[in-house]
Amino acid sequence: GAVVSQHPSRVICKSGTSVKIECRSLDFQATTMFWYRQFPKKSLMLMATSNEGSKATYEQGVEKDKFLINHASLTLSTLTVTSAHPEDSSFYICSARMGGRTNEKLFFGSGTQLSVL
Amino acid sequence: AQTVTQSQPEMSVQEAETVTLSCTYDTSESNYYLFWYKQPPSRQMILVIRQEAYKQQNATENRFSVNFQKAAKSFSLKISDSQLGDTAMYFCAFVEETSGSRLTFGEGTQLTVNP
Repeated sequence: GAVVSQHPSRVICKSGTSVKIECRSLDFQATTMFWYRQFPKKSLMLMATSNEGSKATYEQGVEKDKFLINHASLTLSTLTVTSAHPEDSSFYICSARMGGRTNEKLFFGSGTQLSVL
Repeated sequence: AQTVTQSQPEMSVQEAETVTLSCTYDTSESNYYLFWYKQPPSRQMILVIRQEAYKQQNATENRFSVNFQKAAKSFSLKISDSQLGDTAMYFCAFVEETSGSRLTFGEGTQLTVNP
């Protein structure tokens, strides 16, 4: 099946620094990628929709200046957590959509555990 | 706004037995898709099964099958011959055709398969 690579899998950073997370579709072109946040033993919460070549669409309550999303190519989207604070510590997951229709399958990355000290 | 409800936070089953996980959803749309995803301890999201709302036939994938009741807005997952590797968090998810693949997830059911 299709593969989505997410890197890094785990990152620890100091408060105030910025962290970049990459999401790559390895064997297909993904015009749309999604970024989720997941707290321990909780569900996935959609943060934003990333469209290649255009600005990301953020969900209500998500700070676009805190979570910068760039989707510069059909195979790569990045999420940058700027000026990270301990409350940003979480598990972040990306997914990529293959195809141009909603009923196409979504493929998930393996997630990134962010710990802000 | 669409919602997905999983009323069973935790369930357990003996190896080789059958278990059913429940899911209800709410939407005013007629065209939508339903999914069950599995998240094992590795935290990788894995698609278990999907169902198109316009199809009356229940989807099946080997030991996994669904009971899709469109009028009742119910979408339960049945796991037959449960295996230890089925231990995971299971999420029911829903997407409307007009929403551009924006999945709405339920809160999840932690399934434990006991030897």
